[in-house]
Amino acid sequence: EVQLVESGGGLVQPGGSLRLSCAASGFTFSSSDMHWVRQPTGKGLEWVSTIGTLADTFYPDSVKGRFTVSRENARNSLYLQMNSLRAGDTAVYYCARTTGDFWRGTAHFDLWGRGTRVTVSS
Amino acid sequence: DIQMTQSPSSLSASVGDRVTITCRASQTITTYLNWYQQKPGKAPGLLIYGASSLRSGVPSRFSGSGSGTDFTLTISSLQPEDFATYYCQLSYNAPVFTFGQGTKLEMK
Repeated sequence: EVQLVESGGGLVQPGGSLRLSCAASGFTFSSSDMHWVRQPTGKGLEWVSTIGTLADTFYPDSVKGRFTVSRENARNSLYLQMNSLRAGDTAVYYCARTTGDFWRGTAHFDLWGRGTRVTVSS
Repeated sequence: DIQMTQSPSSLSASVGDRVTITCRASQTITTYLNWYQQKPGKAPGLLIYGASSLRSGVPSRFSGSGSGTDFTLTISSLQPEDFATYYCQLSYNAPVFTFGQGTKLEMK
């Protein structure tokens, strides 16, 4: 079955760290561009990070310098290391795959995990 | 940065209605625009990519149109399972991905 399964969410204090994982199955993970997208409760979707097939990484300004995305193709796994966490980082974090060429503008999110909840609170 | 404005933010409609949701970009993005449906407690799911291409398995009552700066998602005849939140997403600005604010479609 083609799927993504996130884990690692939980409650963390402001300033703390957390590492999310995403296990991929049913497709060629090493050939896929992978992403993290988050959604605060009751709010919209926000792109958090991208890692390409060559392990090139990209972030929005809101998390740059605090979050690090990585991948381990041998384990079909995606990770998100989150440091210096803030209350504003509280959200459900989704692992997602794009199909298409994101440099040419044709990428679209065609596979999503069920998400893992991160709560930053004292 | 290219800004996306999605409207309306909420919409009440009845089963059988024709519904249109709009996304406007602050500058031309040709057809690099995708649409997603999200139901409560679930992950989003892709409906339309490249502004007008229907994803395999998505009912044909869903359609997308537009190019340049103005785009629409149309549901030709609402079904009970279509009540959800819909998002547009810009793919033009690689490697940045921008989502619209969302449109919550509720039953009248």
